[in-house]
Amino acid sequence: GESVGLHLPTLSVQEGDNSIINCAYSNSASDYFIWYKQESGKGPQFIIDIRSNMDKRQGQRVTVLLNKTVKHLSLQIAATQPGDSAVYFCAENAGGGADGLTFGKGTHLIIQP
Amino acid sequence: DAGITQSPRHKVTETGTPVTLRCHQTENHRYMYWYRQDPGHGLRLIHYSYGVKDTDKGEVSDGYSVSRSKTEDFLLTLESATSSQTSVYFCAISEDIGGSPLHFGNGTRLTVT
Repeated sequence: GESVGLHLPTLSVQEGDNSIINCAYSNSASDYFIWYKQESGKGPQFIIDIRSNMDKRQGQRVTVLLNKTVKHLSLQIAATQPGDSAVYFCAENAGGGADGLTFGKGTHLIIQP
Repeated sequence: DAGITQSPRHKVTETGTPVTLRCHQTENHRYMYWYRQDPGHGLRLIHYSYGVKDTDKGEVSDGYSVSRSKTEDFLLTLESATSSQTSVYFCAISEDIGGSPLHFGNGTRLTVT
């Protein structure tokens, strides 16, 4: 989900379990959505994207689900590994231009051994 | 990594001094962007470019200027740095605008004292 201050929401999962990270987006006109992973000291890394004419898209170990009715996006990571520990955030594009891309504040995923 | 190099990676400067950050890409992508990332905020767009010598303002452009004289280079200048410009700055590139993911560099951490 989205953070409301300096502290990001945290999701703690056991290594090997599946992780589900959620994002509530704001604009019903948004037609393109992206998930990013950001490790400490690095730039955001593209994971997967989805367009509004789809409700599910799968990648390698990741699945994105889009529910336009409730404006909700989720990222599922299968068999979570230590290397998955990072901040994950979603982005939505409602305007079609560069200034139409809005980024969420992120969720910190922590992997427990 | 998507062939994006930002320099410098870290910089400390004094209030009132000019600062230029550089972004260099090897992907030959048309679109380039400058974002800033601050605690409690998602990535916020400063300026973007849709081609050589073609630039436009983003959400938080006050106090910043940009230049793009070559496809591969996009410069961000703080004419007179202020403490509120202490941030992590990310450059990004994309193949098109609004419908493809942005790929980010690893950022420049700027501290204005």
